[in-house]
Amino acid sequence: GAVVSQHPSWVICKSGTSVKIECRSLDFQATTMFWYRQFPKQSLMLMATSNEGSKATYEQGVEKDKFLINHASLTLSTLTVTSAHPEDSSFYICSASSGTLSTDTQYFGPGTRLTVL
Amino acid sequence: DQQVKQNSPSLSVQEGRISILNCDYTNSMFDYFLWYKKYPAEGPTFLISISSIKDKNEDGRFTVFLNKSAKHLSLHIVPSQPGDSAVYFCAASRWGRGQNFVFGPGTRLSVLP
Repeated sequence: GAVVSQHPSWVICKSGTSVKIECRSLDFQATTMFWYRQFPKQSLMLMATSNEGSKATYEQGVEKDKFLINHASLTLSTLTVTSAHPEDSSFYICSASSGTLSTDTQYFGPGTRLTVL
Repeated sequence: DQQVKQNSPSLSVQEGRISILNCDYTNSMFDYFLWYKKYPAEGPTFLISISSIKDKNEDGRFTVFLNKSAKHLSLHIVPSQPGDSAVYFCAASRWGRGQNFVFGPGTRLSVLP
């Protein structure tokens, strides 16, 4: 199946700093990429949807200026957590799809665990 | 408000028996449902899906049943194997929202040898 990678797999940073997480589709072109956040023992929560070359669409309640998403190419999307605070500590997962329909399979990355001290 | 619910956080089943994982949803606009399987330290992987125009979809050992009137779906795994031990997420998509899925909290399945 298709492979999606994320880098880094885990990161620890100080409060107030910014952290960038990369999501790459390794063997297919991702028309659409998604960013999710997962709190312990809770479901994946969609943060935003991004299409290559256009601005990301954020879900209600997600701060656009806090979570900057860039989908610069068909194989790379980045999530930057700006001025991180301890409450931003979470597990962030990206997914990628070569289509836009609900029937098009999303392939998930392995996730990035962010800890903000 | 949790739109997709998986009320059993965990389930243990003996190898060879049937595993039944349940999922309930509240939004009648959902028209496409998926099950994902997740191993520790890995991202979820797609398992099986069902459209609201069907009430059953089968793929090998995995069958998903949809009861629209009850807003309920279930995933049956038979026979269960130790390698099926993972967290299973139910997800739903609303008409017009494409791939913007709403995920349930997951059920951890343990298949005992």
